[in-house]
Parts: sequence; structure tokens; C-alpha cells
Amino acid sequence: KQEVTQIPAALSVPEGENLVLNCSFTDSAIYNLQWFRQDPGKGLTSLLLIQSSQREQTSGRLNASLDKSSGRSTLYIAASQPGDSATYLCAVRPGFNKFYFGSGTKLNVKP
Amino acid sequence: NAGVTQTPKFQVLKTGQSMTLQCAQDMNHNSMYWYRQDPGMGLRLIYYSASEGTTDKGEVPNGYNVSRLNKREFSLRLESAAPSQTSVYFCASSDGQGTQETQYFGPGTRLLVL
Repeated sequence: KQEVTQIPAALSVPEGENLVLNCSFTDSAIYNLQWFRQDPGKGLTSLLLIQSSQREQTSGRLNASLDKSSGRSTLYIAASQPGDSATYLCAVRPGFNKFYFGSGTKLNVKP
Repeated sequence: NAGVTQTPKFQVLKTGQSMTLQCAQDMNHNSMYWYRQDPGMGLRLIYYSASEGTTDKGEVPNGYNVSRLNKREFSLRLESAAPSQTSVYFCASSDGQGTQETQYFGPGTRLLVL
């Protein structure tokens, strides 16, 4: 069974800092990996999706990388803002209609 | 555009009571999913439906049943609620096509079983 781990569970940084969130998974046989954002009391919003053949994806201040061989992905957030405060989850898709989520990293960006 | 909607937003049940969580999507997606999210854990898949008329078990199906009423609607039923089913339940949908498949989530239903 695929296990997805996100470390740290929580992170607090001052505004303007660049930061990296980590996601690791145990089985490299995946179709894709996705990063989501979850605001308190809300559902998940997709941020970036990296297909298994890709190494990275970028959207604005966000950059996600994927190293399948080592079972790792990182989400890089540049010039963090208080509005980035949320929980960030990664999910891997090992097969059709199968998704495994990490428990998330709760990010707090202090003004 | 409503996306994925869920009702109710919050519910309190007593042990042994039954209830149905409703989910609807307006994106013409084929696949729909039910997850539960517990503190300190990631989302776990309860059931999914790859297309209208089909349903399959996910990782944690015990104690739940589902119905794919039509392409838009996918309901989750708890026949005899237990305190262990206290959780936040999320419905999601996707077009189910290829490696670019991404999921769209509803706002969640918070369920407390006493």
C-alpha cells in the first residue's frame, strides 16, 4: 500500500520568506502527484499537478518538483504572504481512481 | 459555477441513527468520490464511482453505502452511525481522463456522532 508522508506537520515563517514543503511516498509507480491547498473549514483546491513523466510544474510563486526514483516531491513557495497561510496536502495517484493523501503541512505566514 | 456542492454542512447524530450525505456536481464529470478526513491523517477514500451506475469500494468502506443516482449526484449513507464515524466528509469529482486527471472538492460535511 502506498504511504504518503509530509514533514513538517506545521511551519511558521515571517512574511517574505521563501519556503519548501516536503512530500514523500513509498511506491514510485504513480501516474501523477498533486498539491492541494486547504483553508480552515473548506474543501481542497488543486494548486499543481505533475505527471509522472515531468520533473516540475510552476504556477505564479509556486513551483512543484517530482523525483519519482527517490519518492519525493517538494512545493516551493516564493516570497510568502499572509494569504498563503493554509494547510498544504500532497496526493499521489498510483492507478485509476486511486488517490493517496498525505496528512498535510499547516503553514502560518506571519505579517 | 457551483462546482461540487454538499449537504448538510454540519450534522450531529446519536449512535445507531442513520443519515444520507448528499453531493452534486455540475461539471459533467464521470467520476465521483467520497473521502473522510480525520485529525492528523490524510484524506481516505471511502467509495468511488467511475461512471453513472457503477460504484466501488475504496480504502475504508465499512459502515457506509453509496448510490450514484445519476451523473450529477453521488450520495453516502450511514445506516447505523458509530462514534468512530465522527469525521469531516468530502465529496469530489473528476473527469477521470488520463494522467492529467485532477479532482475538484466540495466544502465538506462535518459529522459528529455521540
